Amino acid sequence: DSGVTQTPKHLITATGQRVTLRCSPRSGDLSVYWYQQSLDQGLQFLIQYYNGEERAKGNILERFSAQQFPDLHSELNLSSLELGDSALYFCASSGTGLASETQYFGPGTRLLVL
Amino acid sequence: EDQVTQSPEALRLQEGESSSLNCSYTVSGLRGLFWYRQDPGKGPEFLFTLYSAGEEKEKERLKATLTKKESFLHITAPKPEDSATYLCAVRSNSGYALNFGKGTSLLVTP
Repeated sequence: DSGVTQTPKHLITATGQRVTLRCSPRSGDLSVYWYQQSLDQGLQFLIQYYNGEERAKGNILERFSAQQFPDLHSELNLSSLELGDSALYFCASSGTGLASETQYFGPGTRLLVL
Repeated sequence: EDQVTQSPEALRLQEGESSSLNCSYTVSGLRGLFWYRQDPGKGPEFLFTLYSAGEEKEKERLKATLTKKESFLHITAPKPEDSATYLCAVRSNSGYALNFGKGTSLLVTP
């Protein structure tokens, strides 16, 4: 158990809908990262937050957005969903200083868009 | 642009049959090379971080090594419970994100 929690575990929805994925980092970790894992693309970095502020952006679509709250939990919002958005979404967290080097991953949310 | 290539894509071993997984990388300023293990439907589990060429790290039956162009994950006398996908990732000096390879799917049969 990495100490990173994600809810829900599974999500089934329809095209055009909007969903919110939630992540709680390990105790004391200030950084949260979101990744998408699909069969053909592998694990792709989406976005990073550090202590409430956006720090880095990867291949995140404009239909997707994220935020980190004062209690450090983070939410990833996916809107106007398409079939191709079906994937595993992982959250990871890391600490500060030397501890920022290692990212610890949560169990993921499996999203199925029908 | 950072690139990570893992080989082979899949590997089947008999219990006790040692082997190595390869991770070739291209990165502008390596900040760290990471190995993770991922079981089906689960999140990646951190194994090792390597920072500089010549560095080695060991954990049970696994040993990771690093050169300037590639990393190897050596598996000695594997057991069926070592079956998983092994992921390699790099972090460059220019950012915090991990750039992952597509992984090697390892199956160890009794």
